[in-house]
Amino acid sequence: QKEVEQDPGPLSVPEGAIVSLNCTYSNSAFQYFMWYRQYSRKGPELLMYTYSSGNKEDGRFTAQVDKSSKYISLFIRDSQPSDSATYLCAMSLQGGSEKLVFGKGTKLTVNP
Amino acid sequence: NAGVTQTPKFRVLKTGQSMTLLCAQDMNHEYMYWYRQDPGMGLRLIHYSVGEGTTAKGEVPDGYNVSRLKKQNFLLGLESAAPSQTSVYFCASRLAGLVATYNEQFFGPGTRLTVL
Repeated sequence: QKEVEQDPGPLSVPEGAIVSLNCTYSNSAFQYFMWYRQYSRKGPELLMYTYSSGNKEDGRFTAQVDKSSKYISLFIRDSQPSDSATYLCAMSLQGGSEKLVFGKGTKLTVNP
Repeated sequence: NAGVTQTPKFRVLKTGQSMTLLCAQDMNHEYMYWYRQDPGMGLRLIHYSVGEGTTAKGEVPDGYNVSRLKKQNFLLGLESAAPSQTSVYFCASRLAGLVATYNEQFFGPGTRLTVL
């Protein structure tokens, strides 16, 4: 079993839709959870960062962590064509942990 | 601030040739990483460094070597390139320490390598 599982998609939605992206993980010791966004032919960049369980909101984006289910989600409200990208979840064991464990990424296309 | 830069952006090699990829960062970060990204495989860690003069193996280190002679630079070498090393290579860097937010890795724009 992979440490982090992420459905690669692709996911195609109309503009204005609510998008839900998800990852599951097997290591209950993960404490820090991140979502990176990667535009085509670019490097990943950090989008959201959460610690432990709960929700975190930033504009149209909400990150959710359910540690009891080992499940994390990223919600995008009022999706825009500019949100079209690959979204990678990442997690680490502790704040200073040297390495991140990445999901494989979900490719999202938002159609105008 | 240029952030993380990678040289070259593109390269085509023949099987058996060697090359070095250069990563440079101007953020005074202690930690640096080399990843490869392949369709369906996601980002896989090749090697990383937690400080000048140190290196460590990641998930897929075979066929690669690295050096960190200066804090701002991290070099990835392919001694004898193979078609299986065709990939997009990303360098990343981050601060050291136990503060949670220091986990953020900053990525370069990538190097597209094709080995024929």
